[in-house]
Amino acid sequence: EDQVTQSPEALRLQEGESSSLNCSYTVSGLRGLFWYRQDPGKGPEFLFTLYSAGEEKEKERLKATLTKKESFLHITAPKPEDSATYLCAANTGNQFYFGTGTSLTVIP
Amino acid sequence: NAGVTQTPKFQVLKTGQSMTLQCAQDMNHNSMYWYRQDPGMGLRLIYYSASEGTTDKGEVPNGYNVSRLNKREFSLRLESAAPSQTSVYFCASSEFGSSLGQETQYFGPGTRLLVL
Repeated sequence: EDQVTQSPEALRLQEGESSSLNCSYTVSGLRGLFWYRQDPGKGPEFLFTLYSAGEEKEKERLKATLTKKESFLHITAPKPEDSATYLCAANTGNQFYFGTGTSLTVIP
Repeated sequence: NAGVTQTPKFQVLKTGQSMTLQCAQDMNHNSMYWYRQDPGMGLRLIYYSASEGTTDKGEVPNGYNVSRLNKREFSLRLESAAPSQTSVYFCASSEFGSSLGQETQYFGPGTRLLVL
């Protein structure tokens, strides 16, 4: 069964305290691993797509990496405005399988 | 450039009523999707359309129908609403570029549906 699992469910960080979010996937024929940010009451906002093990992509304080079974979203020196739910999704062509997300709170 | 737009923003239905959720994108994307998002379940794909004139079932299609009216518009219809269809519905569009590294997916703001 195709499945995506994210951990932890929730994470509270002090401003400036770096950490990582995990996305584990078991899908047949991964075409790409997508990361999104979702603010309360809004639609997900696209961040990155990763395609092959070892690939890394960065955007401001965020860096996403990919292995054959997992992806990590590293947050370096987070700020309160980074507080949101972060979603990952495995794409196998036209099917997207989403995890349930990690709710990140950054405390000033 | 509005991206992906959805109407309505909110809707309350009684069990058995029907309604159509509208979605439009102005990015000239070929692929469009309908998802539902429920607490603790994550986003689940209902239907998708890889191109104008084609539609396919996703993970949870029962109780829904879709129409890809043209390249811009993709509608989701609930023929006889049930309380289990209370959810937030998101439309999305995506484009897979000619080379890897150009694949993106953009979401609309969502429709919050309550079925009583």
